[in-house]
Amino acid sequence: GQSLEQPSEVTAVEGAIVQINCTYQTSGFYGLSWYQQHDGGAPTFLSYNALDGLEETGRFSSFLSRSDSYGYLLLQELQMKDSASYFCAVRTYGQNFVFGPGTRLSVLP
Amino acid sequence: NAGVTQTPKFRILKIGQSMTLQCTQDMNHNYMYWYRQDPGMGLKLIYYSVGAGITDKGEVPNGYNVSRSTTEDFPLRLELAAPSQTSVYFCASSSDRVGFSYEQYFGPGTRLTVT
Repeated sequence: GQSLEQPSEVTAVEGAIVQINCTYQTSGFYGLSWYQQHDGGAPTFLSYNALDGLEETGRFSSFLSRSDSYGYLLLQELQMKDSASYFCAVRTYGQNFVFGPGTRLSVLP
Repeated sequence: NAGVTQTPKFRILKIGQSMTLQCTQDMNHNYMYWYRQDPGMGLKLIYYSVGAGITDKGEVPNGYNVSRSTTEDFPLRLELAAPSQTSVYFCASSSDRVGFSYEQYFGPGTRLTVT
């Protein structure tokens, strides 16, 4: 079977740093994506890691360890607009993607 | 570019009715996807397509059908609607250029209720 695990909720204050973890057990693995989704909106792409290590894009960074079947999304200098749900997704084979259950991030003033 | 467009935005179906959810993209992407998202949950892949005339099942294909006659369009057909198909349906597309096939662009979604 395929399973991805993420914390269901995370809360942090404006200006802080938060890390959202994702562990996966899938029948194949090509890479790990992260998406952001605001309430009532569509998911938007944040990052993709195919190789081990850290990828940085502005305030957001994403990390992957293939040997540990683990990745995380790091959000720095949190802003109120970062309050949203964050999903990890594994590309298992071809164009088949399996999404995690999502982590709801609340940023407090 | 309009990106990925979906129609309708909302729909209420009675049990046993059928309907087609439309999806169109204007980015010349070969890869297209259909997902469903139940309240408070992640997205589940229903079907995907890697090009015109080629489709494949995802994680939850039962009760749905797709076709891909053109690069731009990827309609999703629901036959004999059931309450379990009440969900938000998202269509997405991505490029098949090497190194770009992982970034999916999502449409605004169709909110479907089956009663």
